[in-house]
Amino acid sequence: GNSVTQMEGPVTLSEEAFLTINCTYTATGYPSLFWYVQYPGEGLQLLLKATKADDKGSNKGFEATYRKETTSFHLEKGSVQVSDSAVYFCALSNTGNQFYFGTGTSLTVIP
Amino acid sequence: GAVVSQHPSRVICKSGTSVKIECRSLDFQATTMFWYRQFPKQSLMLMATSNEGSKATYEQGVEKDKFLINHASLTLSTLTVTSAHPEDSSFYICSALITLGYEQFFGPGTRLTVL
Repeated sequence: GNSVTQMEGPVTLSEEAFLTINCTYTATGYPSLFWYVQYPGEGLQLLLKATKADDKGSNKGFEATYRKETTSFHLEKGSVQVSDSAVYFCALSNTGNQFYFGTGTSLTVIP
Repeated sequence: GAVVSQHPSRVICKSGTSVKIECRSLDFQATTMFWYRQFPKQSLMLMATSNEGSKATYEQGVEKDKFLINHASLTLSTLTVTSAHPEDSSFYICSALITLGYEQFFGPGTRLTVL
């Protein structure tokens, strides 16, 4: 079946620290992988995506590489800001219709 | 970019009343929309898939008579929570599918509180 596993949160970092949020998946076929971000009181926004193995998605300083050999799609950012405080969701989709989300990782960045 | 709106953003109602939530794709047509429910500090739970002009497909465990979904046009889907009870209090999020790129665009969510 299809599923996504994210590292447990919450994560608290100081400003300018390095961020890694782990995400691994199981899937049939060749899924597309996504990271969504949810700011307090808001819906989800697409942060980045990758549609095939070895693709790297990037946006706003965040990056994630689609690793088929390790079935992973870890989110990284070299220097986080207070404004990055949010909940981050890893997701996969095989067909575009059915999306599978991880449980979310809450990130708090302190000045 | 593609924008999805939801209305209302917040609603408080008394137990036993029905509440309608609208989901609109503002600058594109969406043949498929999705309704999710999010509990505090948890991930999104897919409730149903809504296809324009046909009946919604509900996920296992979701009561179709309680959560009525109508997708009457290519830009509008509605979720009606009938005879709402406090346990229905939650954050409801819709999304619309753009087929090209297999990408879903999410609405900002509706916070429902049932007293």
